[in-house]
This record gives sequence, structure tokens and C-alpha cells, in this order.
Amino acid sequence: ILNVEQSPQSLHVQEGDSTNFTCSFPSSNFYALHWYRWETAKSPEALFVMTLNGDEKKKGRISATLNTKEGYSYLYIKGSQPEDSATYLCAFQTGANNLFFGTGTRLTVIP
Amino acid sequence: DTGVSQNPRHKITKRGQNVTFRCDPISEHNRLYWYRQTLGQGPEFLTYFQNEAQLEKSRLLSDRFSAERPKGSFSTLEIQRTEQGDSAMYLCASKGESPLHFGNGTRLTVT
Repeated sequence: ILNVEQSPQSLHVQEGDSTNFTCSFPSSNFYALHWYRWETAKSPEALFVMTLNGDEKKKGRISATLNTKEGYSYLYIKGSQPEDSATYLCAFQTGANNLFFGTGTRLTVIP
Repeated sequence: DTGVSQNPRHKITKRGQNVTFRCDPISEHNRLYWYRQTLGQGPEFLTYFQNEAQLEKSRLLSDRFSAERPKGSFSTLEIQRTEQGDSAMYLCASKGESPLHFGNGTRLTVT
């Protein structure tokens, strides 16, 4: 089992604030880094899958960066809204197509 | 795309009983994953299939746990002689190229 760490564990922000979280992962046997959003009572949904060092992906107000050499990825949310409240999970994909998840960052956006 | 389907949604069982969960993946996905999620943790990898072959199995999966995917389509996860520590959300996900598509999970409560 590979060690994938996320920080912070939980976060409360005011509506309109921007925020970011960190995912750190092993730098060996890297194939891809995934980000998922998991809302209460729903199943996790994919946000991004990144494979190349220096990759930057964006979907609306959410973006992510990837540094495979040092083993970290950042997820940014610009102008947080209450509907962004969820647990954000990152997952490290190995060359053998296995995926190992971090413990998640639980975001609460206060209206 | 009918999505990943898991049954049952909830299962309450007494300690010592056997339980079986089913996962129907997205039909064209050849990879299928089982994860377990407990409170405050991210999804923990249990096992992974490519078609009908079980390629990897976590050390978390004791000999009381077994998973099958007999025809490379649906999968079952069986827990024998359940213990209270088995209480968790059991998530199934399937994957084509990328990313993972999750079911809604089966929540197991062992009393």
C-alpha cells in the first residue's frame, strides 16, 4: 500500500474566498494523479486526471497542478461557493493500474 | 451509460454472519476495483480485477474476504464470519481509460 497524504484534513472558508489543498505522493512508479470530489450521500466524481510533470488542468473555478519530481499536486478553488462543500480526494495511479487514495480534505464553505 | 450499480445500498447483519455485495460496472469497462471507506478515512484499496483476473489483493483483505468477477462483468465481494470492525462503506469502481467511475456504495453495519 502506497502512502498518499492530503492536507489539510478539513477546512472552513467563507463564501467568495479562494482556497487550495495539497496531495503528496511517492515519486516512483508514477503513472497518473487523480482528483475526485465526494459530496455527502453521493458517489465520488472525477475532477481531473493528470499524467505529465508540470500539468495544469482547469474546470470552471477549480484548477490543479502536478509536480511528479517532488511528488505533489495542488487543487485550487477560486471564489468558493457553498456548493463546493465536499470531500476532495486525490489518488495515485501506479503503472500497474492500481489507485491508492489519500484521506481527503473536507471543505466546508460558509455562506 | 447507466453508471456503476451496487447492491444492496445498506446491509445490517449480526456478527458471525456471511454477507455478499454485488457490483455491476459500466459495461465497456474492463477494470473493476473494490475499496473500503471508514469514517474519517479515504477509500482503502481492497482488490482489483482486469476482466475476470484478480490482479492485486490488499493485505487488508483477510482470508474472510473474497471477491470474484467470474465472467469479467459483474463482481461480488463476500465477507465470511463478519466482525464489528468490518462495518464500513464498501465502494466499487470501474475504469476504462480513465478515470474511475464509482457506484453509490454498500454501507455495512455489523451488530
